[in-house]
Amino acid sequence: EAGVTQFPSHSVIEKGQTVTLRCDPISGHDNLYWYRRVMGKEIKFLLHFVKESKQDESGMPNNRFLAERTGGTYSTLKVQPAELEDSGVYFCASSQGFTGELFFGEGSRLTVL
Amino acid sequence: LAKTTQPISMDSYEGQEVNITCSHNNIATNDYITWYQQFPSQGPRFIIQGYKTKVTNEVASLFIPADRKSSTLSLPRVSLSDTAVYYCLVGDSPRNTDKLIFGTGTRLQVFP
Repeated sequence: EAGVTQFPSHSVIEKGQTVTLRCDPISGHDNLYWYRRVMGKEIKFLLHFVKESKQDESGMPNNRFLAERTGGTYSTLKVQPAELEDSGVYFCASSQGFTGELFFGEGSRLTVL
Repeated sequence: LAKTTQPISMDSYEGQEVNITCSHNNIATNDYITWYQQFPSQGPRFIIQGYKTKVTNEVASLFIPADRKSSTLSLPRVSLSDTAVYYCLVGDSPRNTDKLIFGTGTRLQVFP
């Protein structure tokens, strides 16, 4: 069974540009989460989808970040316009039900120059 | 969610048992204790979860004393491939997993 996949694995953009990160959860997982780790900091929660609905987006840093999960399958996280402080690794995770076990992808590394 | 405190780093040698202790003095009645492992350039991976006493799976054991203010992750006979960062998380799981709070973790280095 395929795990959580994220694309791209690494993206390098200039300040002011737009980047869209994609996450494909494990098939059948209703819960989808986005986390990120910026340089030297801890992994931080961004938001949580249950199917196509945003259950909790309290961790989204500002309105430059937009997450979607149309159809309740894959999700995208768009950063527009990107700022230097957005550099870091963005992790996606999914789960089925609430078991405490989240399955993480390998992350998308974003570098903003 | 309860805050956790764990050692920043630990060293061990292959074949030894490693115990990583996590303090969570403010743990709430509904809180579970969950441990994740993270290798470089990978996402965190669930290891084990418990509420009280002892939990064991094929990877590790988790010891939780009666007061639940701390917990110890035990890795039997570590190998080089166990070199990773280990996170202790405390939260209202499994009912609410949407805000896993990752601390700094414990960086375990296993030497030959």
